[in-house]
Amino acid sequence: KQEVTQIPAALSVPEGENLVLNCSFTDSAIYNLQWFRQDPGKGLTSLLLIQSSQREQTSGRLNASLDKSSGRSTLYIAASQPGDSATYLCAVIGNYGQNFVFGPGTRLSVLP
Amino acid sequence: NAGVTQTPKFRILKIGQSMTLQCAQDMNHNYMYWYRQDPGMGLKLIYYSVGAGITDKGEVPNGYNVSRSTTEDFPLRLELAAPSQTSVYFCASSYAPQDTQYFGPGTRLTVL
Repeated sequence: KQEVTQIPAALSVPEGENLVLNCSFTDSAIYNLQWFRQDPGKGLTSLLLIQSSQREQTSGRLNASLDKSSGRSTLYIAASQPGDSATYLCAVIGNYGQNFVFGPGTRLSVLP
Repeated sequence: NAGVTQTPKFRILKIGQSMTLQCAQDMNHNYMYWYRQDPGMGLKLIYYSVGAGITDKGEVPNGYNVSRSTTEDFPLRLELAAPSQTSVYFCASSYAPQDTQYFGPGTRLTVL
């Protein structure tokens, strides 16, 4: 059974710092991996989707990498801003899976 | 496009009461999902649907029922509410199971 973990559970950084969020999964036979952002009291918004054949995806200040063989993905946020404060979740779907498995999320606070 | 809409936003139920959480999407997605999110936990899949008239159980289906009579709507029914069903419920949809999922704003349910 696929399990997804995210470390750390919470992170607080000063504005302007570059930071890395981690996601680990137990079964490397994944089809793709997604990173989501969740603001307090709101639904999830997809940030990046990485296919299993890809090593990374970039969108603005966000860069997500995927190392399928080691069961890891990282989300790199450059020059963090207070508006980046949110919970970030990763989710994976298997090669023959119908459904994504979500991690518990990392709660990020960027202090002005 | 409204995307994925959910009603109500908040609800308090007494033990043993029943209710229906409404979900609708206007993106003509075949795939729709119901998740629950408990504090510090990832999203857990309750039920999903691959098209009108076709539904299947997810990881935590006990105490819930769903129906899918149209492509647009995917209501979730709670029968005999229990305190363990206190949670935030999210509906989501996607074009295909491995594609980006689009989430509604959520329904915060408390069972007392």
